[in-house]
Amino acid sequence: DAGVIQSPRHEVTEMGQEVTLRCKPISGHDYLFWYRQTMMRGLELLIYFNNNVPIDDSGMPEDRFSAKMPNASFSTLKIQPSEPRDSAVYFCASSLQGTDTQYFGPGTRLTVL
Amino acid sequence: AQSVTQPDIHITVSEGASLELRCNYSYGATPYLFWYVQSPGQGLQLLLKYFSGDTLVQGIKGFEAEFKRSQSSFNLRKPSVHWSDAAEYFCAVSYTGGFKTIFGAGTRLFVKA
Repeated sequence: DAGVIQSPRHEVTEMGQEVTLRCKPISGHDYLFWYRQTMMRGLELLIYFNNNVPIDDSGMPEDRFSAKMPNASFSTLKIQPSEPRDSAVYFCASSLQGTDTQYFGPGTRLTVL
Repeated sequence: AQSVTQPDIHITVSEGASLELRCNYSYGATPYLFWYVQSPGQGLQLLLKYFSGDTLVQGIKGFEAEFKRSQSSFNLRKPSVHWSDAAEYFCAVSYTGGFKTIFGAGTRLFVKA
């Protein structure tokens, strides 16, 4: 298996623009997690899905952030409009069960100018 | 609330010296415990996990961890550190009946020659 795939690996955009991050989980995994990592705040869970259904989005910082999982093999995290404070590395992870090992993608480094 | 504490933000050890990284978790139901490693520019990778059974768990890259229920701890150890072990290490916990994993703030390991 190719592991969790994220795209793009790097994104540089200007404040106010829409940003879409993409994730393909490992086939057969029922759980998908979106995390944000910064030096100041560490690793933060933003939202997670079970069988394509959002279960807990309490970590989503603002209404500017939204996430979808239209099918078992694809998820997006969208920021609209983006702000400089959204600059971070965003990770997607998947697992067979919510409490089991999580497999992380390589991350998307987002820079908002 | 359930939580994970890694008391050391960073640790420096000499190559060839032994290593112990500390982790404490808040009391709860039977915990599932994990250690992940993150090398620069990469996602998190599982080092080892404890679900049940023998409280001394062996992982990849020569790491081991010991679960001590009485101390609510799951410390990571390695008898002889290599320069390639320089990375950030995350302790994590999930619980039976729960749906997500809680990560500690991480400990950054520096290895000096």
